[in-house]
Amino acid sequence: GAGVSQTPSNKVTEKGKYVELRCDPISGHTALYWYRQSLGQGPEFLIYFQGTGAADDSGLPNDRFFAVRPEGSVSTLKIQRTERGDSAVYLCASSRGTGDEQYFGPGTRLTVT
Amino acid sequence: KQEVTQIPAALSVPEGENLVLNCSFTDSAIYNLQWFRQDPGKGLTSLLLIQSSQREQTSGRLNASLDKSSGRSTLYIAASQPGDSATYLCASINNAGNMLTFGGGTRLMVKP
Repeated sequence: GAGVSQTPSNKVTEKGKYVELRCDPISGHTALYWYRQSLGQGPEFLIYFQGTGAADDSGLPNDRFFAVRPEGSVSTLKIQRTERGDSAVYLCASSRGTGDEQYFGPGTRLTVT
Repeated sequence: KQEVTQIPAALSVPEGENLVLNCSFTDSAIYNLQWFRQDPGKGLTSLLLIQSSQREQTSGRLNASLDKSSGRSTLYIAASQPGDSATYLCASINNAGNMLTFGGGTRLMVKP
Protein backbone atom coordinates (compact mmCIF):
# COMPACT_ATOMS: atom_id res chain seq x y z
CA GLY A 1 0.00 0.00 0.00
CA ALA A 2 0.96 3.64 -0.26
CA GLY A 3 3.25 5.06 2.35
CA VAL A 4 3.38 8.53 3.84
CA SER A 5 3.76 11.16 1.14
CA GLN A 6 4.94 14.75 1.47
CA THR A 7 4.80 17.66 -0.92
CA PRO A 8 6.72 19.50 -2.12
CA SER A 9 9.93 17.49 -1.93
CA ASN A 10 11.95 20.70 -2.08
CA LYS A 11 10.98 24.27 -1.31
CA VAL A 12 13.16 27.34 -1.68
CA THR A 13 11.76 30.57 -0.31
CA GLU A 14 12.97 34.03 0.58
CA LYS A 15 13.34 35.21 4.15
CA GLY A 16 10.06 36.63 5.43
CA LYS A 17 7.81 34.60 3.15
CA TYR A 18 5.04 32.20 4.17
CA VAL A 19 5.26 28.48 3.34
CA GLU A 20 2.99 25.47 3.61
CA LEU A 21 4.17 21.89 3.72
CA ARG A 22 1.75 19.03 3.15
CA CYS A 23 1.63 15.51 4.54
CA ASP A 24 -0.60 12.62 3.42
CA PRO A 25 -0.49 9.86 6.05
CA ILE A 26 -1.02 6.17 5.50
CA SER A 27 -4.73 5.49 5.06
CA GLY A 28 -6.36 4.51 8.33
CA HIS A 29 -3.61 5.91 10.54
CA THR A 30 -5.14 8.11 13.22
CA ALA A 31 -1.90 9.54 14.63
CA LEU A 32 0.25 11.99 12.69
CA TYR A 33 3.55 13.61 13.68
CA TRP A 34 5.80 16.35 12.36
CA TYR A 35 9.55 16.41 12.97
CA ARG A 36 12.38 18.67 11.81
CA GLN A 37 15.86 17.43 10.93
CA SER A 38 18.89 19.66 10.60
CA LEU A 39 21.98 18.50 8.75
CA GLY A 40 23.90 15.81 10.61
CA GLN A 41 21.40 15.54 13.45
CA GLY A 42 18.53 13.31 14.41
CA PRO A 43 14.97 14.54 13.84
CA GLU A 44 13.34 16.69 16.52
CA PHE A 45 9.66 16.48 17.45
CA LEU A 46 7.41 19.39 16.50
CA ILE A 47 3.75 18.41 16.87
CA TYR A 48 1.45 15.41 17.20
CA PHE A 49 -2.15 14.95 16.08
CA GLN A 50 -4.56 12.29 17.22
CA GLY A 51 -7.46 12.60 14.81
CA THR A 52 -8.16 16.23 14.04
CA GLY A 53 -6.80 17.78 17.21
CA ALA A 54 -3.24 18.84 17.98
CA ALA A 55 -2.76 16.73 21.07
CA ASP A 56 0.81 17.89 21.70
CA ASP A 57 2.41 20.95 20.08
CA SER A 58 5.18 21.33 22.64
CA GLY A 59 7.91 20.97 20.03
CA LEU A 60 6.91 23.93 17.89
CA PRO A 61 9.80 26.41 18.23
CA ASN A 62 7.70 29.60 18.27
CA ASP A 63 4.39 31.07 17.19
CA ARG A 64 5.48 31.40 13.56
CA PHE A 65 4.87 27.67 13.26
CA PHE A 66 1.48 26.01 13.33
CA ALA A 67 -0.11 22.94 11.82
CA VAL A 68 -3.60 21.76 11.02
CA ARG A 69 -5.31 18.48 10.27
CA PRO A 70 -8.92 19.54 9.67
CA GLU A 71 -10.40 16.21 8.58
CA GLY A 72 -8.17 13.85 10.49
CA SER A 73 -6.15 12.80 7.45
CA VAL A 74 -3.99 15.27 5.49
CA SER A 75 -1.98 17.71 7.56
CA THR A 76 -0.39 21.04 6.64
CA LEU A 77 2.54 22.59 8.49
CA LYS A 78 2.54 26.36 8.08
CA ILE A 79 5.49 28.65 8.71
CA GLN A 80 5.03 32.43 8.73
CA ARG A 81 7.76 35.03 8.23
CA THR A 82 10.36 32.39 7.46
CA GLU A 83 13.90 32.84 8.75
CA ARG A 84 17.17 31.34 7.50
CA GLY A 85 17.31 29.23 10.65
CA ASP A 86 14.12 27.46 9.56
CA SER A 87 16.07 25.75 6.79
CA ALA A 88 15.90 22.00 7.45
CA VAL A 89 14.20 18.82 6.30
CA TYR A 90 10.65 18.60 7.61
CA LEU A 91 9.53 15.03 8.15
CA CYS A 92 6.03 13.72 8.63
CA ALA A 93 5.15 10.35 10.15
CA SER A 94 1.96 8.46 10.88
CA SER A 95 1.02 5.49 13.02
CA ARG A 96 -2.04 3.33 13.43
CA GLY A 97 -2.58 4.67 16.90
CA THR A 98 -0.75 6.47 19.65
CA GLY A 99 2.44 4.63 20.59
CA ASP A 100 2.42 2.35 17.56
CA GLU A 101 5.26 2.04 15.06
CA GLN A 102 5.78 5.31 13.20
CA TYR A 103 6.24 5.35 9.43
CA PHE A 104 7.98 8.32 7.89
CA GLY A 105 7.56 10.16 4.63
CA PRO A 106 10.49 11.25 2.42
CA GLY A 107 10.50 14.75 3.86
CA THR A 108 10.38 18.28 2.49
CA ARG A 109 13.72 20.06 2.24
CA LEU A 110 13.09 23.73 3.05
CA THR A 111 15.73 26.31 2.16
CA VAL A 112 15.24 29.91 3.24
CA THR A 113 17.50 32.34 1.37
CA LYS B 1 13.88 15.82 29.34
CA GLN B 2 14.83 12.62 27.53
CA GLU B 3 18.27 12.56 25.93
CA VAL B 4 19.32 9.83 23.51
CA THR B 5 22.96 9.21 22.63
CA GLN B 6 24.39 6.95 19.95
CA ILE B 7 27.92 5.65 19.91
CA PRO B 8 29.90 5.54 17.69
CA ALA B 9 28.96 8.51 15.53
CA ALA B 10 30.59 6.83 12.54
CA LEU B 11 31.78 3.33 11.79
CA SER B 12 33.59 1.79 8.83
CA VAL B 13 33.88 -1.99 8.55
CA PRO B 14 34.81 -4.54 5.89
CA GLU B 15 32.05 -6.58 4.32
CA GLY B 16 31.04 -9.68 6.25
CA GLU B 17 31.81 -8.33 9.70
CA ASN B 18 29.28 -8.56 12.53
CA LEU B 19 28.76 -5.25 14.27
CA VAL B 20 26.97 -3.59 17.18
CA LEU B 21 25.52 -0.10 17.31
CA ASN B 22 24.85 1.39 20.72
CA CYS B 23 22.06 3.63 21.95
CA SER B 24 21.59 5.02 25.45
CA PHE B 25 18.76 7.08 26.95
CA THR B 26 18.55 9.04 30.18
CA ASP B 27 14.91 8.46 31.15
CA SER B 28 13.98 4.77 31.48
CA ALA B 29 10.24 5.54 31.53
CA ILE B 30 9.77 4.81 27.85
CA TYR B 31 6.81 3.30 26.02
CA ASN B 32 8.92 1.60 23.38
CA LEU B 33 12.09 2.04 21.34
CA GLN B 34 12.42 2.12 17.57
CA TRP B 35 15.44 1.70 15.28
CA PHE B 36 15.49 3.38 11.87
CA ARG B 37 17.69 3.46 8.82
CA GLN B 38 18.21 6.65 6.80
CA ASP B 39 19.88 6.75 3.40
CA PRO B 40 21.41 10.04 2.22
CA GLY B 41 18.75 12.55 1.23
CA LYS B 42 15.94 10.15 2.10
CA GLY B 43 13.36 9.69 4.82
CA LEU B 44 13.52 7.18 7.66
CA THR B 45 12.81 3.48 7.24
CA SER B 46 11.63 1.66 10.35
CA LEU B 47 13.74 -1.40 11.09
CA LEU B 48 12.59 -2.71 14.45
CA LEU B 49 10.31 -1.65 17.28
CA ILE B 50 10.80 -3.04 20.77
CA GLN B 51 7.98 -2.70 23.27
CA SER B 52 9.06 -1.65 26.77
CA SER B 53 8.09 -5.09 28.08
CA GLN B 54 10.29 -6.88 25.55
CA ARG B 55 14.01 -7.62 25.71
CA GLU B 56 14.71 -8.01 22.01
CA GLN B 57 13.37 -8.13 18.48
CA THR B 58 14.79 -9.81 15.39
CA SER B 59 14.32 -9.18 11.70
CA GLY B 60 16.53 -11.07 9.27
CA ARG B 61 20.16 -10.16 9.97
CA LEU B 62 19.14 -7.51 12.49
CA ASN B 63 18.66 -8.01 16.21
CA ALA B 64 17.80 -5.22 18.60
CA SER B 65 17.93 -5.55 22.37
CA LEU B 66 16.52 -3.33 25.09
CA ASP B 67 17.55 -2.96 28.72
CA LYS B 68 15.24 -0.33 30.17
CA SER B 69 16.74 -0.36 33.64
CA SER B 70 20.18 0.57 32.36
CA GLY B 71 18.84 2.86 29.63
CA ARG B 72 20.48 0.98 26.78
CA SER B 73 19.62 -0.57 23.46
CA THR B 74 21.86 -2.23 20.91
CA LEU B 75 21.38 -3.03 17.24
CA TYR B 76 23.31 -6.06 16.07
CA ILE B 77 23.92 -6.49 12.34
CA ALA B 78 25.16 -9.89 11.25
CA ALA B 79 27.29 -10.50 8.18
CA SER B 80 27.30 -6.86 7.08
CA GLN B 81 26.92 -6.01 3.39
CA PRO B 82 27.76 -2.86 1.38
CA GLY B 83 24.00 -2.29 1.03
CA ASP B 84 23.81 -1.84 4.80
CA SER B 85 25.72 1.44 4.45
CA ALA B 86 23.45 4.16 5.84
CA THR B 87 22.81 6.18 8.99
CA TYR B 88 21.14 4.22 11.78
CA LEU B 89 18.99 6.13 14.26
CA CYS B 90 17.45 4.97 17.50
CA ALA B 91 14.51 6.74 19.09
CA SER B 92 12.58 6.27 22.30
CA ILE B 93 8.89 6.94 22.61
CA ASN B 94 7.69 8.65 25.77
CA ASN B 95 5.09 7.06 28.03
CA ALA B 96 2.34 9.14 26.45
CA GLY B 97 3.25 7.36 23.21
CA ASN B 98 3.20 10.55 21.18
CA MET B 99 6.79 11.70 20.78
CA LEU B 100 9.96 10.10 19.45
CA THR B 101 13.24 11.40 20.84
CA PHE B 102 16.09 10.59 18.48
CA GLY B 103 19.78 10.05 18.93
CA GLY B 104 22.23 11.69 16.57
CA GLY B 105 22.69 8.51 14.56
CA THR B 106 25.57 6.23 13.62
CA ARG B 107 26.86 6.58 10.04
CA LEU B 108 27.82 3.12 8.89
CA MET B 109 30.02 2.37 5.90
CA VAL B 110 30.49 -1.26 4.86
CA LYS B 111 33.37 -1.62 2.42
CA PRO B 112 33.34 -4.32 -0.26
